[in-house]
Amino acid sequence: DIQMTQSPSSLSASVGDRVTIPCRASQNIGTYLNWYQHKPGKAPRLLIYAASVFHSGVPSRFSGGGSGTDFTLTIRSLRPEDFATYYCQQTFTTPPTFGQGTRVEV
Amino acid sequence: EVQLVQSGAEVKKPGESLRISCKASGYSFTNYWINWVRQVPGKGLEWMGKIDPSDSNANYSPSFQGHVTLSTDTSVNTAYLQLSSLKASDTAMYYCARQYHGECDYWGQGTLITVSS
Repeated sequence: DIQMTQSPSSLSASVGDRVTIPCRASQNIGTYLNWYQHKPGKAPRLLIYAASVFHSGVPSRFSGGGSGTDFTLTIRSLRPEDFATYYCQQTFTTPPTFGQGTRVEV
Repeated sequence: EVQLVQSGAEVKKPGESLRISCKASGYSFTNYWINWVRQVPGKGLEWMGKIDPSDSNANYSPSFQGHVTLSTDTSVNTAYLQLSSLKASDTAMYYCARQYHGECDYWGQGTLITVSS
């Protein structure tokens, strides 16, 4: 299985900050990389697919980049509703695998 | 509007089996795979498997193979996750999700399963 590594597991930020969340794959996955936002008690929400493509309705302050093994999710100006856990997921091979998640907190 | 509505929370005893349902609406059910994802309390997301409603072809994660059975009923646009021989370690939130290309674009609200004697 392809291992997805998200480090740090949590990071502290303030409203208005620019936040960058890294994700690394254990082998080359091209751009088969998705990002999800997950809040407690809610369903995960797709933000970005194919490394950099916005899902419908996602605010433009979110952006994704990278290819191969190294990827990032950037939140340009953090809003209160953005405090959540963010997961990357590779879909290059089956089983698709998630990173451990990065929690963005105050 | 695409919606996936899952069945409600359940409490089960070790050794029992259970089936969770995921009813789809707002799109053509047979055109998209349904994925199942687990979240154990305090942990991250784990992919369990997926099923193609058009022909019931299913892929399972090796971690869940033999413990999980996926099925669909196209007459009621519903996917099912069956777990057998439940253990306390199966206590988790279970999500269904529609697969668009490789990504899961719409998710159910989750079903909390508690396994306790």
